[in-house]
Amino acid sequence: GIQVEQSPPDLILQEGANSTLRCNFSDSVNNLQWFHQNPWGQLINLFYIPSGTKQNGRLSATTVATERYSLLYISSSQTTDSGVYFCAVERIGSEKLVFGKGMKLTVNP
Amino acid sequence: EPEVTQTPSHQVTQMGQEVILRCVPISNHLYFYWYRQILGQKVEFLVSFYNNEISEKSEIFDDQFSVERPDGSNFTLKIRSTKLEDSAMYFCASVVDGYTFGSGTRLTVV
Repeated sequence: GIQVEQSPPDLILQEGANSTLRCNFSDSVNNLQWFHQNPWGQLINLFYIPSGTKQNGRLSATTVATERYSLLYISSSQTTDSGVYFCAVERIGSEKLVFGKGMKLTVNP
Repeated sequence: EPEVTQTPSHQVTQMGQEVILRCVPISNHLYFYWYRQILGQKVEFLVSFYNNEISEKSEIFDDQFSVERPDGSNFTLKIRSTKLEDSAMYFCASVVDGYTFGSGTRLTVV
């Protein structure tokens, strides 16, 4: 099956810092999503981004499908950004989303 | 924004008991999914459901599991005889452009 690798596995930041999360995947995809899992366990959809660039406030994401990677940028991080960030992809021809192992972000005040 | 609703949010059950987890997908969505996440681990695919039948299932989804769409709105996951290792967060999702996940049911088997 498709492999989804996220880096770094963990990140600790001071409030106000910027960060970049990376997702590499091993096959062509027709869907890529970034999720934030909050402390209550909820999976919050951040971006549906099979290709191109999107921005939503302090967050933005870029997927370069031809090179099989995606980046999630968090600017001016806040303590509420803490949690686990998941990248998930749907391989072309498949009908299921495959998750990476996640990246735990801790933003300290 | 449309939501996927899951009930209950928490359930504690004795080993060997049956549980039914419920989901109300977004109304115009056609594809429905169940995923689970064992504590501290990644989110794993269980089963996909389209046109009132299972379209794909994982090796986790054995004979103890079943899914149903009993009416036009609900989508359920049943575990017939729960085991300790079934303890996990269970997520329902529905899909049009991108997956929308429910807030999950935390199942604890004791």
